[in-house]
Amino acid sequence: DQQVKQNSPSLSVQEGRISILNCDYTNSMFDYFLWYKKYPAEGPTFLISISSIKDKNEDGRFTVFLNKSAKHLSLHIVPSQPGDSAVYFCAGTKGTSGSRLTFGEGTQLTVNP
Amino acid sequence: NAGVMQNPRHLVRRRGQEARLRCSPMKGHSHVYWYRQLPEEGLKFMVYLQKENIIDESGMPKERFSAEFPKEGPSILRIQQVVRGDSAAYFCASSPWTSGGLNNEQFFGPGTRLTVL
Repeated sequence: DQQVKQNSPSLSVQEGRISILNCDYTNSMFDYFLWYKKYPAEGPTFLISISSIKDKNEDGRFTVFLNKSAKHLSLHIVPSQPGDSAVYFCAGTKGTSGSRLTFGEGTQLTVNP
Repeated sequence: NAGVMQNPRHLVRRRGQEARLRCSPMKGHSHVYWYRQLPEEGLKFMVYLQKENIIDESGMPKERFSAEFPKEGPSILRIQQVVRGDSAAYFCASSPWTSGGLNNEQFFGPGTRLTVL
């Protein structure tokens, strides 16, 4: 039962352009969503999050959009930089302290110079 | 201000041996989580612990796997009689206790890569 799904295993964009990573979820109990970035042989690093009471959260070059009715969220990175090349994981959780994160399979982003 | 620490970073075991993975949470964090990442897959939740208590172990295999977070010292994930299918990256995460509010950001360690020969 894949409760969080990232349908694109990979994405390639040009430096300076926008990267859009997508994520779908099925569990209606999720009310908090997070994006993590992961480099090879390292642990995931928290990037940005959004509560289900919002539809957008912005932090510098990173913006996360949430469409609750469609159970869909997306991460926008603009402008994309070569250092953004990594695997990006979307995760859903109940927004209470101590709740597990349920991750998608990840999307490999490659930003070409 | 050290982050989440895990050791060893790499562990090689032969089938049937025991593997012990250690995790020290960030200072001030009282919640510890273990996740496993199999090759070409996302991270899967295994267990959630607080000091001296297992809160949720629903993601952990019923046999051969155990976890603890003692009053003193790191959290330990123990795998007995390892098999080849246990080869994976095991990540520990920690979070602070928060009273209510919508915030469940977890901070991850660098992981332990277990290889079973």
